[in-house]
Amino acid sequence: GQQLNQSPQSMFIQEGEDVSMNCTSSSIFNTWLWYKQDPGEGPVLLIALYKAGELTSNGRLTAQFGITRKDSFLNISASIPSDVGIYFCAGQLYYGGSQGNLIFGKGTKLSVKP
Amino acid sequence: NAGVTQTPKFRILKIGQSMTLQCTQDMNHNYMYWYRQDPGMGLKLIYYSVGAGITDKGEVPNGYNVSRSTTEDFPLRLELAAPSQTSVYFCASSFVAGFEQYFGPGTRLTVT
Repeated sequence: GQQLNQSPQSMFIQEGEDVSMNCTSSSIFNTWLWYKQDPGEGPVLLIALYKAGELTSNGRLTAQFGITRKDSFLNISASIPSDVGIYFCAGQLYYGGSQGNLIFGKGTKLSVKP
Repeated sequence: NAGVTQTPKFRILKIGQSMTLQCTQDMNHNYMYWYRQDPGMGLKLIYYSVGAGITDKGEVPNGYNVSRSTTEDFPLRLELAAPSQTSVYFCASSFVAGFEQYFGPGTRLTVT
């Protein structure tokens, strides 16, 4: 099936650091969504992007829909301990592949630096 | 507003048993989805529904069945449970395809 390449797979954060992660694909997307999942919980929607070039913020989180429609990034500024968790990107293919349903990346796991 | 609710939260099944995972949403969403999540593998779509009475297969439908008799409910049925179905199952809903999906808290299933 279609693939979303999400990186990095995991990273360690120290409180106060900025964090950046991204999703890329060889295919064009209509929609990019970013979710966060805490242990034992379902994914929670953080930011939704619907237009190429769109830059949207939600508190300390900022996400952008790449101008080529093939990528998106999520930045977290001044990280705090409750930012730990798994972050997923998801997108809807432009040409209607996957029956128009969302495709999910494999996630970026944020942990606290020991 | 409860959003998407799932029951049970945890379940252990023996090989060959069957069970139904329940999912209900109160947002009047047309679209509902069932995903499974295995460690490090992201979310894989099992089945989805575009409205009451209409269901379709996702990426990994084998071993599962669904029905959608009402807008609110979308149960997932496991027949003849197998160890490969040990996973965390999430139900989600959205207003339209490719739009924001809202997830339930998940059901953690172990088949032994």
